[in-house]
Amino acid sequence: GNSVTQMEGPVTLSEEAFLTINCTYTATGYPSLFWYVQYPGEGLQLLLKATKADDKGSNKGFEATYRKETTSFHLEKGSVQVSDSAVYFCALSPSSGSARQLTFGSGTQLTVLP
Amino acid sequence: NAGVTQTPKFRILKIGQSMTLQCAQDMNHNYMYWYRQDPGMGLKLIYYSVGAGITDKGEVPNGYNVSRSTTEDFPLRLELAAPSQTSVYFCASSPRGEEAFFGQGTRLTVV
Repeated sequence: GNSVTQMEGPVTLSEEAFLTINCTYTATGYPSLFWYVQYPGEGLQLLLKATKADDKGSNKGFEATYRKETTSFHLEKGSVQVSDSAVYFCALSPSSGSARQLTFGSGTQLTVLP
Repeated sequence: NAGVTQTPKFRILKIGQSMTLQCAQDMNHNYMYWYRQDPGMGLKLIYYSVGAGITDKGEVPNGYNVSRSTTEDFPLRLELAAPSQTSVYFCASSPRGEEAFFGQGTRLTVV
């Protein structure tokens, strides 16, 4: 079956530090890949997505590149801010089938200190 | 545009009680989902629906039931609540089964 593996947290960084959160996946074909963010007390919000190999998703300074050869979709940001403190989830949606459902990683808690 | 609306936001149940978590979306999405989120465990799919009148089990359906009589509504029913059902429940919808839009969640405690 499909699965998503994220680097374990929590991750604590100082403001303006570089962020990488690793994500690898197992799936057949060419799934769509997503990063969601969850701020305290809220639901998940889509941060960025990529639907085919070598696509780069980007939003709010965050980027992730769909690497088919390494089955990875690592999240990066060049300079984090305190407001980026949240839980980040990597997810995939299969490329075919009637049961189009998201499979999530376990989430990575990010804390950014001023 | 309200998006996905869940009610209630918080609820405490006693063991053996039942309740319905409400979910409504106003985006005319075909796909709807119920997830539970346990601390440090990510999200697990309980039930999903690909359209009105069609529902199917996800990864952790035991102890829950759903119905989808309209495109807009997808209520989740808990019968005979157990402490293991203490969790945060999220409803989500999607136009094509890819990008999902989430509600704010319902925090349920069973005592």
